[in-house]
Amino acid sequence: GQNIDQPTEMTATEGAIVQINCTYQTSGFNGLFWYQQHAGEAPTFLSYNVLDGLEEKGRFSSFLSRSKGYSYLLLKELQMKDSASYLCAAMDSNYQLIWGAGTKLIIKP
Amino acid sequence: GAVVSQHPSWVICKSGTSVKIECRSLDFQATTMFWYRQFPKQSLMLMATSNEGSKATYEQGVEKDKFLINHASLTLSTLTVTSAHPEDSSFYICSARAGREAGEQFFGPGTRLTVL
Repeated sequence: GQNIDQPTEMTATEGAIVQINCTYQTSGFNGLFWYQQHAGEAPTFLSYNVLDGLEEKGRFSSFLSRSKGYSYLLLKELQMKDSASYLCAAMDSNYQLIWGAGTKLIIKP
Repeated sequence: GAVVSQHPSWVICKSGTSVKIECRSLDFQATTMFWYRQFPKQSLMLMATSNEGSKATYEQGVEKDKFLINHASLTLSTLTVTSAHPEDSSFYICSARAGREAGEQFFGPGTRLTVL
């Protein structure tokens, strides 16, 4: 079956760095997405990886290892506004997104 | 970036009534649109995928006669919750993609439905 695993909740301190891991098993693979979702709002796109390696975009970076079925989202210089849920989603061979349950990130001052 | 709107933002209705939610892509043509439902503290649950001009493909367990989807144009899809019941109360989110196989989905702001 198809499955996405990510931690349910993580806590970090303002100004620090946090890494949110995601492992996936899908029928075929056409890329890995990370979305941010604040409470009561729709998800917003953060990153897309289809090749192995690290993609850096400002304070946020995303890494993919296709052979390991593994990705992580790295958030640097954490700000209070980064408190949100972070959703990992893998696109399968039918170009359908398989969603993880999301990781709730709590930032403490 | 691409913008997707949803209307209404929130709706409260009586049990047994039908509610229509609109999803529009404002600055691009959406060949494919998706409808999701999200219960509190849970992840997104895909309800159906619709391609312009063809019937929607529903996920297992989603009643197609209860959740009517119409993707009549490249910029508009509608979801009608028929004979709504309190258990249908949820956050409904649409997303749109420019191509059948293109990558990123652009999400609408969501519609919060409360059925009394």
